[in-house]
Amino acid sequence: DGGITQSPKYLFRKEGQNVTLSCEQNLNHDAMYWYRQDPGQGLRLIYYSQIVNDFQKGDIAEGYSVSREKKESFPLTVTSAQKNPTAFYLCASSTLAAMPTDTQYFGPGTRLTVL
Amino acid sequence: SQQGEEDPQALSIQEGENATMNCSYKTSINNLQWYRQNSGRGLVHLILIRSNEREKHSGRLRVTLDTSKKSSSLLITASRAADTASYFCATAPPTGANNLFFGTGTRLTVIP
Repeated sequence: DGGITQSPKYLFRKEGQNVTLSCEQNLNHDAMYWYRQDPGQGLRLIYYSQIVNDFQKGDIAEGYSVSREKKESFPLTVTSAQKNPTAFYLCASSTLAAMPTDTQYFGPGTRLTVL
Repeated sequence: SQQGEEDPQALSIQEGENATMNCSYKTSINNLQWYRQNSGRGLVHLILIRSNEREKHSGRLRVTLDTSKKSSSLLITASRAADTASYFCATAPPTGANNLFFGTGTRLTVIP
């Protein structure tokens, strides 16, 4: 059963804590992305990675960090430096066979709430 | 900003009616895509139209693209209650960065 999984579905964070959101895909896609979605808003790109051990900042990277040690995995850490982290976080992946990007495949999302 | 803008922000129709959503963007594109998002879920890809195409169909979906006006429309015919969702357009730049720019979405409600 191919696809993208994100965990956890819901995450609560105390102020000053770092938290890590998981994203795994078994689609054999090269590119992976992290987006943030605020209520009633569109998606804003946080980070993306086109290849293992390489990633690029998106429009709102401040306060976030990522790693890409394996092709299948692209975890996102929300650090204490992110002042307003409460949001819905979406992970996506796509092939690089066609450039510019074609279809992106999305995970189910993680809702992060700061207490 | 390269982000697209959808119009209207919200749309409410009766089941069986057609729903039309519009997307405007500001820069040149390679392709434009439409995605659907059910409340609290991830996005699902619906259809992709390339810059050299003017119209595309997929089931009850019809997408048009006018690159001279930098606009696209998504038509859902014979709507169903299950079509209730938010719909987003996303543009892919011609070259360079391999990422999409998403609009702010249209919230569609189909009343049974």
